[in-house]
Amino acid sequence: DIVMTQTPLSLPVTPGQPASISCKSSQSLLHSDGKTYLYWYLQKPGQSPQLLIYEVSSRFSGVPDRFSGSGSGTDFTLKISRVEAEDVGVYYCMQGIHLPYTFGQGTKLEIK
Amino acid sequence: EVQLVESGGVVVQPGGSLRLSCAASGFTFDDYSMHWVRQPPGKGLEWVSLISWDGVSTYYADSVKGRFNISRDNSKNSLYLQMNSLRTEDTALYYCAKGRISAEMDYWGQGTLVTVSS
Repeated sequence: DIVMTQTPLSLPVTPGQPASISCKSSQSLLHSDGKTYLYWYLQKPGQSPQLLIYEVSSRFSGVPDRFSGSGSGTDFTLKISRVEAEDVGVYYCMQGIHLPYTFGQGTKLEIK
Repeated sequence: EVQLVESGGVVVQPGGSLRLSCAASGFTFDDYSMHWVRQPPGKGLEWVSLISWDGVSTYYADSVKGRFNISRDNSKNSLYLQMNSLRTEDTALYYCAKGRISAEMDYWGQGTLVTVSS
């Protein structure tokens, strides 16, 4: 199985400041079709997970443009340009190139 | 508006069986694959199972293979998870999630809690 490793696991951020989460996969997520199957989800407190980013860098419908994804191969990053209070929760990366799909451990973002 | 409503979660003894259901609305159900994802209390997400739009292809995590069975009834816009030989480690909130284009899940239900305990 592909192992997804996120850092940091805890991320205290002052509102208005940027934030960055790293996700590394144990195998390349680049498919022969040219797409890279890396996704980002946010689980807000008491809520179900919601899709933020698909295929490394494409924002899902309704996701604010302060969220951006980047990376390639095995190294990926989610960035929030200016953190807002509503961004608190646990962020997960997930790989979708090989079954079983696997998630990172999660990064808990909190407001300082 | 896409809605996914899970049901069927209860307290069950180890070795027991349970069937979860997910009622879908707000989209053309038989156009999309569907997933089950679980989350043990206070822990992270674990993908459990996937079924193709037509129900022909199914996939499972190794931890549930041979014990769980995913199915769907497109005439009823419903997804199911038959869970047999339940173990304490199956205790979790079980989410039903809609597939999008490839592997991603774009909409999730609120989850149904399964507790396996004697």
